[in-house]
Amino acid sequence: GEDVEQSLFLSVREGDSSVINCTYTDSSSTYLYWYKQEPGAGLQLLTYIFSNMDMKQDQRLTVLLNKKDKHLSLRIADTQTGDSAIYFCAESIDDYKLSFGAGTTVTVRA
Amino acid sequence: DADVTQTPRNRITKTGKRIMLECSQTKGHDRMYWYRQDPGLGLRLIYYSFDVKDINKGEISDGYSVSRQAQAKFSLSLESAIPNQTALYFCATSDRGTEKNTGELFFGEGSRLTVL
Repeated sequence: GEDVEQSLFLSVREGDSSVINCTYTDSSSTYLYWYKQEPGAGLQLLTYIFSNMDMKQDQRLTVLLNKKDKHLSLRIADTQTGDSAIYFCAESIDDYKLSFGAGTTVTVRA
Repeated sequence: DADVTQTPRNRITKTGKRIMLECSQTKGHDRMYWYRQDPGLGLRLIYYSFDVKDINKGEISDGYSVSRQAQAKFSLSLESAIPNQTALYFCATSDRGTEKNTGELFFGEGSRLTVL
């Protein structure tokens, strides 16, 4: 089956780091993705990592990939109020579709 | 202008009515998708199309049909809407088959459908 799992909610204080975790099932996935959905909007790609990488850093974002455990995480440094959104983990399946997790709602409190 | 445009953005209808959601794109991508989003369930794939002549069912295609009128247009129809089809629907295109080829999906802003 194709199940991407992630926790549903995360509350973080402004200025702290946020860590969102995800587990996936398809060991043959070539790419893994993090998407961000702001209220009333569609999903936008935040970052992605190729499966032969362990880590990818992009400004405040750090993605860690553990292929052995099929675990993906997204760390947001210095979390800001504009980071409040739903974050979706996704894996590529058979080169033609993405399978998404249920989404983690991140709430940033002052 | 948005690269992927969906109409209508919001629609309220009654059980048994036929509904069409339209999607157009200016990305020039061959692959287009329809997903449905429900709270706590993430996005589930309804239909996808690799080109005008290649249309495929996704994991939850029952009760839905699609039409790929052109490379740029992909519409989703509910022949006889029912309340459990109340959801947020997203159209997307993929960069698969392009030079970038990362599988990134480019989403429209969504069509919120309520079936009473």
